[in-house]
Amino acid sequence: QSVLTQPPSASGTPGQRVSISCSGSTSNIGGNTVTWYQHLPGTAPKLLIYPNNQRPSGVPDRFSGSKSGTSASLAISGLQSEDEADYYCAAWDDSLHGYLFGTGTKVTVL
Amino acid sequence: QVQLQQSGPGLEKPSQTLSLTCAISGDSVSTYRAAWNWVRLSPSRGLEWLGRTYYRSKWFSDYSVSVKGRITINPDTSKNQFSLQLNSVTPEDTAVYYCARLFGNPPYFDYWGQGSLVTVSS
Repeated sequence: QSVLTQPPSASGTPGQRVSISCSGSTSNIGGNTVTWYQHLPGTAPKLLIYPNNQRPSGVPDRFSGSKSGTSASLAISGLQSEDEADYYCAAWDDSLHGYLFGTGTKVTVL
Repeated sequence: QVQLQQSGPGLEKPSQTLSLTCAISGDSVSTYRAAWNWVRLSPSRGLEWLGRTYYRSKWFSDYSVSVKGRITINPDTSKNQFSLQLNSVTPEDTAVYYCARLFGNPPYFDYWGQGSLVTVSS
């Protein structure tokens, strides 16, 4: 599929663990690396997880990424109020010869 | 520290051409280490990659199939910037447009412009 599918929403209480899935295909996630971005309203997206599931300097280790086959996941452990944001996965698609962003997941801290 | 500064009109009429510029500081548009991209965000489509330009002994451009035929991304080496032109715009092109650097191997979007809201309306 030429789209990266994420659940539209996810939620948790402070301290809980939240996981966001990103489902693709062999032409994108299956054959290429996945990155994750956090977006707060009115700001530019922020790189959250590098390829190979590394974190840039300044990103808390509460955030972690994983990939298996044609799917990837972002986990937020020890959820905090400042984690309330939209999260997007991204990967290159060999068939489209272009980048795909996921459909986006809004995380709400209850 | 890389900085990307966007400029351009915030309102376009249907059928006109949307034009935005992204000025680069702290890096070069001609670097072999990066590619220079445009991405947009809208409520209906979420984040959408539009295209990129990059230099590897010569200039290359790649465009999203969703806007191919309407889009041009050009580098300007004299001003160290790159531009976006999107032709024949419709209200569906209303979005916040971002420029972004794609860096590293494997690559990732590490620096982003501040965003430009462009509204398409008569």
